[in-house]
Amino acid sequence: EVQLLESGGGLVQPGGSLRLSCAASRFTFSNYAMTWVRQAPGKGLEWVSGMGGSGGSTYYADSVKGRFTISRDNSKNTLYLQMNSLRAEDTAVYYCAKLRIAAVGPYDAFDIWGQGTLVTVSS
Amino acid sequence: DIQMTQSPSSLSASVGDRVTITCQASQDISNYLNWYQQKPGKAPKLLIYDASNLETGVPSRFSGSGSGTDFTFTISSLQPEDIGTYYCQQYDNLPITFGQGTRLEIK
Repeated sequence: EVQLLESGGGLVQPGGSLRLSCAASRFTFSNYAMTWVRQAPGKGLEWVSGMGGSGGSTYYADSVKGRFTISRDNSKNTLYLQMNSLRAEDTAVYYCAKLRIAAVGPYDAFDIWGQGTLVTVSS
Repeated sequence: DIQMTQSPSSLSASVGDRVTITCQASQDISNYLNWYQQKPGKAPKLLIYDASNLETGVPSRFSGSGSGTDFTFTISSLQPEDIGTYYCQQYDNLPITFGQGTRLEIK
């Protein structure tokens, strides 16, 4: 079964950093663009960032641009999200997701999702 | 940014009812519209892609239609396991945006 497993969430102080990981299994990871989506407690879904399969193209929501960096290691079948200068409003469950077909950008449906990892930014 | 407006925000229906949710985009997005179901404490699940295509393994009671700015999601006969929150999502332009969600309950 195709699977995504996030890790790296936790409690961090405002201004701190955290790196999330998303381990993929049972599909050819490098063939697909990947994305991060977050959900604040009790709120809706917010797209955060996306990256092409080859790793050459990256995309960000304005709310995280300049603070978050998406990357991937295709040899390890793993997607990352480096989060710096964290704010209280970044508190959310962070999901990684696979693009249904698209190999380059986030221009497609998200067909496989991980279980999510909770990031809490608080002093 | 493209704004996605779902209606209603919540609804309560009986088992066997036909349920319809609408999603309106703030500009033409062609058919670049997807629908997801999210159950409490779980990740979203893709149901419909490209406005009207049923994702593999999704029951045929779910359907979608529309293009341009106006889209409809329908459950033909509501089942108890369909409770959850439903989201539309556009991918015509960045940033990718979601509707605010429709919470569906069983009456």
